[in-house]
Amino acid sequence: DAMVIQNPRYQVTQFGKPVTLSCSQTLNHNVMYWYQQKSSQAPKLLFHYYDKDFNNEADTPDNFQSRRPNTSFCFLDIRSPGLGDAAMYLCATSRSASGKGGTYNEQFFGPGTRLTVL
Amino acid sequence: AQRVTQPEKLLSVFKGAPVELKCNYSYSGSPELFWYVQYSRQRLQLLLRHISRESIKGFTADLNKGETSFHLKKPFAQEEDSAMYYCASEVGGTSYGKLTFGQGTILTVHP
Repeated sequence: DAMVIQNPRYQVTQFGKPVTLSCSQTLNHNVMYWYQQKSSQAPKLLFHYYDKDFNNEADTPDNFQSRRPNTSFCFLDIRSPGLGDAAMYLCATSRSASGKGGTYNEQFFGPGTRLTVL
Repeated sequence: AQRVTQPEKLLSVFKGAPVELKCNYSYSGSPELFWYVQYSRQRLQLLLRHISRESIKGFTADLNKGETSFHLKKPFAQEEDSAMYYCASEVGGTSYGKLTFGQGTILTVHP
């Protein structure tokens, strides 16, 4: 089945130790998103890629970076995790319905990676 | 900035009762609106979108621009409807399909 895969499902890291979360998709979608979801809160968009075009949300901390080496893969790098970065991280994909700046199709979500910072 | 509000964090009903999950949005233009659902131990997935005007699993949602609402309704709730429901809006234009989610409503349908 075509899908969005996130690895690992659970990640434990130490305060200040860099960590990388990965997302892959077999849907061949051109847009990929990273969301942060803290306990009992709504998913919050961190950034997304339209093809290789990176788009950062204004309030995403500099501590968070992303890479998209090809269509299928996207990585979330947290350079120096703090206790406040403990959250569920969701990857999602979509296909642009009408091109850049237009309305997009539904987003397909991965199962998420739960990050714990000790 | 657009904002999506789901006033009820928790909603409990009995099987067979009608259910309405409330959603209000703040954008003054014409956003695209969605309901996403997350069943226990499953990933977040699209339930329905207003532009499709569909009924999915017996759920419908009507966009009311006057009240800036997009409430989700089902006339007869089933136990398998128990889940977390998120209302979300997309402004479109240069926002690249950016979704703004509400806080979510946990629906519990009792037998």
